[in-house]
Amino acid sequence: NAGVTQTPKFQVLKTGQSMTLQCAQDMNHEYMSWYRQDPGMGLRLIHYSVGAGITDQGEVPNGYNVSRSTTEDFPLRLLSAAPSQTSVYFCASSYLPMDGGSNTGELFFGEGSRLTVL
Amino acid sequence: AQKITQTQPGMFVQEKEAVTLDCTYDTSDQSYGLFWYKQPSSGEMIFLIYQGSYDEQNATEGRYSLNFQKARKSANLVISASQLGDSAMYFCAMRGGGTSYGKLTFGQGTILTVHP
Repeated sequence: NAGVTQTPKFQVLKTGQSMTLQCAQDMNHEYMSWYRQDPGMGLRLIHYSVGAGITDQGEVPNGYNVSRSTTEDFPLRLLSAAPSQTSVYFCASSYLPMDGGSNTGELFFGEGSRLTVL
Repeated sequence: AQKITQTQPGMFVQEKEAVTLDCTYDTSDQSYGLFWYKQPSSGEMIFLIYQGSYDEQNATEGRYSLNFQKARKSANLVISASQLGDSAMYFCAMRGGGTSYGKLTFGQGTILTVHP
């Protein structure tokens, strides 16, 4: 049981280049999301998905695209990288929480991907 | 919209002592959940403890307990008998109810340093 797997762990890009951060989970979670972590700002939600074919924007979506063609995979695409996108990126998944139910909606995180844009 | 505030950028504690990390939240939802995560220097996010808004008792998980004061909108993490391995960044987070689905809003984090 691998949990949430992110690749690559490190990446250096030049301004204007494109790339895709891969995320896969093997827990059959409906919910998947991408966060970025910047010093002093905690984790901020970029995009999320509540199931295959369904995605929506989070707090900081500009410059990023996502798609969800399968339950397992949720890639994050940077179309034209900018220095402001230098950050640590986390993919996370969970079962959808149910009010009053035993499922808390705890997020399971990947190990993170450190991206530097020059 | 939800908001989480952690007002302590850094905290220091002596090994074997207890420490409280502060967290206040703001939400208009009646049903919500509060989480604490630990991030050691290696970078991974480790789930510690969860408190539901309707839970009548404070959550506990081993040396971790959550001091939940609903009227004051606070959800402080208490770590008893601190260990050197507790040195890490700690994040408080919350999810709203209803259509908030699994979206978690995180605070800025508190860096805890445990001295021997």
